[in-house]
Amino acid sequence: IAGITQAPTSQILAAGRRMTLRCTQDMRHNAMYWYRQDLGLGLRLIHYSNTAGTTGKGEVPDGYSVSRANTDDFPLTLASAVPSQTSVYFCASRRTVNTEAFFGQGTRLTVV
Amino acid sequence: AQSVTQPDIHITVSEGASLELRCNYSYGATPYLFWYVQSPGQGLQLLLKYFSGDTLVQGIKGFEAEFKRSQSSFNLRKPSVHWSDAAEYFCAVVLTGTASKLTFGTGTRLQVTL
Repeated sequence: IAGITQAPTSQILAAGRRMTLRCTQDMRHNAMYWYRQDLGLGLRLIHYSNTAGTTGKGEVPDGYSVSRANTDDFPLTLASAVPSQTSVYFCASRRTVNTEAFFGQGTRLTVV
Repeated sequence: AQSVTQPDIHITVSEGASLELRCNYSYGATPYLFWYVQSPGQGLQLLLKYFSGDTLVQGIKGFEAEFKRSQSSFNLRKPSVHWSDAAEYFCAVVLTGTASKLTFGTGTRLQVTL
């Protein structure tokens, strides 16, 4: 079934550790996004990529990095996790600017 | 910077009653507009979208939304709410001609009473 796959589904992580959240889509979409969802704040854009080989910063990029080596994969890395990065992370993709975005099921990350 | 405002954090309606969820955006140009729904513990599902043309758009699950340029609004409506509509609803926009950032509002949580 076509769609977006995120891994892991959930994770408890010690502060200071490095973590990579994985996101893979098989729809050949050009644009991909990472959001974090926090109560009362909605979804905030962390990083995005309009096409393979390019990335950009969203609203809350500090402490996070991304890469887009190919069309399908868009991993999000926390170099040194902090408790304020406890959140639910959603990956999304869409074909072009005027098409809908499809979302993964999310990764619940707890930094302790 | 582009922004999206959903002024109602939480709304409670009775089953069978009508519903309107508000969404305002702050741009000079007409953006692409979306409404998404999120059930507890789930990802986001698209309800409807507006790109151009008819300002009243129909979506899934009996929802509709009306784009009003003069008010910079894109309010979501449903004539008769069902208990299964209880969820969180997000308005989102993409400003045309930019690097396609999809920006979300803070969401409105809908509770439906029987």
